[in-house]
Amino acid sequence: AQTVTQSQPEMSVQEAETVTLSCTYDTSESDYYLFWYKQPPSRQMILVIRQEAYKQQNATENRFSVNFQKAAKSFSLKISDSQLGDAAMYFCAYRSAQGAQKLVFGQGTRLTINP
Amino acid sequence: GAVVSQHPSWVICKSGTSVKIECRSLDFQATTMFWYRQFPKQSLMLMATSNEGSKATYEQGVEKDKFLINHASLTLSTLTVTSAHPEDSSFYICSATALGQGATEAFFGQGTRLTVV
Repeated sequence: AQTVTQSQPEMSVQEAETVTLSCTYDTSESDYYLFWYKQPPSRQMILVIRQEAYKQQNATENRFSVNFQKAAKSFSLKISDSQLGDAAMYFCAYRSAQGAQKLVFGQGTRLTINP
Repeated sequence: GAVVSQHPSWVICKSGTSVKIECRSLDFQATTMFWYRQFPKQSLMLMATSNEGSKATYEQGVEKDKFLINHASLTLSTLTVTSAHPEDSSFYICSATALGQGATEAFFGQGTRLTVV
């Protein structure tokens, strides 16, 4: 079974600075998807960024980018120019490319933005 | 993006009663919907996979007779918590993936906070 590990329960960053959230995963599959989701206090899950395992190029969405290291099974999220609205729980998630489309979530990292 | 609507947003019920939570995909068809449970300050734990027209697949440790799932159409799945007890109090979230190959993004409902008193 696949597992996702986020080793940072909490992180904080100064507004406008850059922060990196870590995520590692374990799988024997070669084809899969990785995601970062944001859960603000409203608890609505919001997709931040997505990475297909077959793509070598790291995904980027505006201020959000990932460092995908397939051999190391690492998938970190970098938030540049942090804003107060970035404060939330961030979950790393894994999804197999085959079979059931269920997501396996990491434990989450609570990100605080200091003004 | 696609919208998944979950209802109700919150519910308080008496111990021993049953509660039904609805999950609807508003602008797309979803053959598969997922139900998650989230305890305070914890991650989302998958409870079951709901497939349209067939029985749900439950994760290990989830009581299928307690958490009844029905997926009667391509746009609606329901979770019924039967004979609810205080330990069932939690935040329940559904998600759906659009029909068709290549669909990778899961869309989430806004969640339901269940409190059993």
